[in-house]
Amino acid sequence: DAGITQSPRHKVTETGTPVTLRCHQTENHRYMYWYRQDPGHGLRLIHYSYGVKDTDKGEVSDGYSVSRSKTEDFLLTLESATSSQTSVYFCATATGGTEAFFGQGTRLTVV
Amino acid sequence: AQSVTQLGSHVSVSEGALVLLRCNYSSSVPPYLFWYVQYPNQGLQLLLKYTTGATLVKGINGFEAEFKKSETSFHLTKPSAHMSDAAEYFCAVSHGSSNTGKLIFGQGTTLQVKP
Repeated sequence: DAGITQSPRHKVTETGTPVTLRCHQTENHRYMYWYRQDPGHGLRLIHYSYGVKDTDKGEVSDGYSVSRSKTEDFLLTLESATSSQTSVYFCATATGGTEAFFGQGTRLTVV
Repeated sequence: AQSVTQLGSHVSVSEGALVLLRCNYSSSVPPYLFWYVQYPNQGLQLLLKYTTGATLVKGINGFEAEFKKSETSFHLTKPSAHMSDAAEYFCAVSHGSSNTGKLIFGQGTTLQVKP
């Protein structure tokens, strides 16, 4: 599992509240990614990072922000959660030339 | 723009039968292609990948896939299904040809294996 830990693993939150999901890796991989998984859509890229303080938007970035202040941590923030952000969120890491390694996922429910 | 299409959201086979999961892609650059497997309530695990070289790629658990450029396909096969193969399978293509974590995924195919 390439030493990827996502926290929390499950969360229920109310509409309009801020939520932060954390991804922690122990492999010193340069690249980190946040995906969301929804039925019928596979996984879609939200944001990604090429290194500390170097982030960029993916295909479904609206309503999300990220931060990477240390190589090992990549935070995903929902500034004001909406029901459409109910999903399973996956963090992934890569060294750039081989494959991506995925965390176990965080199941977020916005009520 | 790159995209991936997996034909069939659900595939059902009998134990011991051939498994064939279809994947077609579009890419403006030579693609890096991947198959991932997801077991219930778990993350994604890499089954196999094509980057360059041999077009027939062998992966874990007896799976293999063949890159066919002329057909823009990367179908996943296994000669004999096992009950433990029941899972969701995702085909993916990487953005460009080098960033293998920035992926475009297909919709996924759920494989059911009947005894």
